[in-house]
This record gives sequence, C-alpha cells and structure tokens, in this order.
Amino acid sequence: EAQVTQNPRYLITVTGKKLTVTCSQNMNHEYMSWYRQDPGLGLRQIYYSMNVEVTDKGDVPEGYKVSRKEKRNFPLILESPSPNQTSLYFCASSPSIRQQLLYGYTFGSGTRLTVV
Amino acid sequence: TQLLEQSPQFLSIQEGENLTVYCNSSSVFSSLQWYRQEPGEGPVLLVTVVTGGEVKKLKRLTFQFGDARKDSSLHITAAQPGDTGLYLCAGDRNTDKLIFGTGTRLQVFP
Repeated sequence: EAQVTQNPRYLITVTGKKLTVTCSQNMNHEYMSWYRQDPGLGLRQIYYSMNVEVTDKGDVPEGYKVSRKEKRNFPLILESPSPNQTSLYFCASSPSIRQQLLYGYTFGSGTRLTVV
Repeated sequence: TQLLEQSPQFLSIQEGENLTVYCNSSSVFSSLQWYRQEPGEGPVLLVTVVTGGEVKKLKRLTFQFGDARKDSSLHITAAQPGDTGLYLCAGDRNTDKLIFGTGTRLQVFP
C-alpha cells in the first residue's frame, strides 16, 4: 500500500531533550515536507526537500532540523524542544514539486508532540 | 498574513442538510486543492481545480474555482455523518509549496 509512515504517533517529552520524528514513504516521491498544525493557524510548513540532499526552510523552521540522505526518509529533528513546539506534526510527500498540482500531497497520520 | 481564508470556521448541521464552504484570497492561484482530514489522520486529497470557472463533482460534493482564480467553494448536498471532518483548501502560486487555508470544521449529526 502506498503510504507515508510517521513514528511515533504520540510523544511526550521534557524541555531540552533531543528527539527525532521519523518519516518514510514507499512511493519513490522526490518531494517531501514537514508541517505543524495548530488550532486557528492551520498547516504551516517547517521544512521541505525537493530531492536527496536538497532541503530548504519553510515558514516556521526555527528550532527544527531535517536531513534527506535517502529518497524515502525525511526525519524531523528537534535538538532542544521547547513547550511552544507542542503541536501536531505531519509529514507529506508528492511525486515532484510540479506534480503536486496534479497529485497533491500524501500525508502521514501525524505525530502529536507534547513538550513539558 | 493568511493568504487563504476559509469560512465558516465551524459548521454544525443535521444529516440531510446542504452546506457550502468558502476559500477566499486576494491573490491569484494557478490551482486549488481541497482536502478532508478526519480525526487522528492526515489530510486526504479530494480534488484539484486548475481552470478559472471550473466545476468538479465528486458524488455529493461540488467544487468550484472562481473565474479570477482567487477563490473556491465546496458545496455538499444532503450531508451525511460520514462527511464530518476538517476541510482544507490549498493553493499553488507557482512557488515551491502549497499554501493551506485555516480550515472549516464540519460536524454532521444523525
């Protein structure tokens, strides 16, 4: 089944403790992206990647890092999480940056992160 | 600044009623997409509209792209409890990303 898989689904952590949220897709998509979803603010893009070793900042990149060493994986790293990073996070992929017009994004099921 | 404004923000209706959700912008988009997000899941693409004035139907759902490509609407006929969810519009402005609206949360009661 074509899908985007995120892990973990739920995570509670303490301020300052480094964490990684994994994202993997099995569709050979070039484009991958991370979003956070907060009430009243909608989906905001954190980082995106147009292909292996190519990443760029989205609208809210502060406090986050990403890497794209392989086409299928796009982990989100929080080096020193803070309470304002408590949110629902989604990974998404698309065949390519231009094919998002036709195919849209395939989203993972989300990771609910709480930082205390 | 929110480029895509959705209205209403919340909508609670009875099964069988009709409803319309709006997605508006002061900017022109080359295409608009509509997604539905159910609780505990990620958004799922419903439709893409690319031509000004375009109308697409998906069973009881009718999507329209404004003539000037600045707005879109989603009309649901005879809503059912299975239509419950968060409806998101997303626009493409020939940049490296889709811009998402703030969403309309729909609750359909039996």
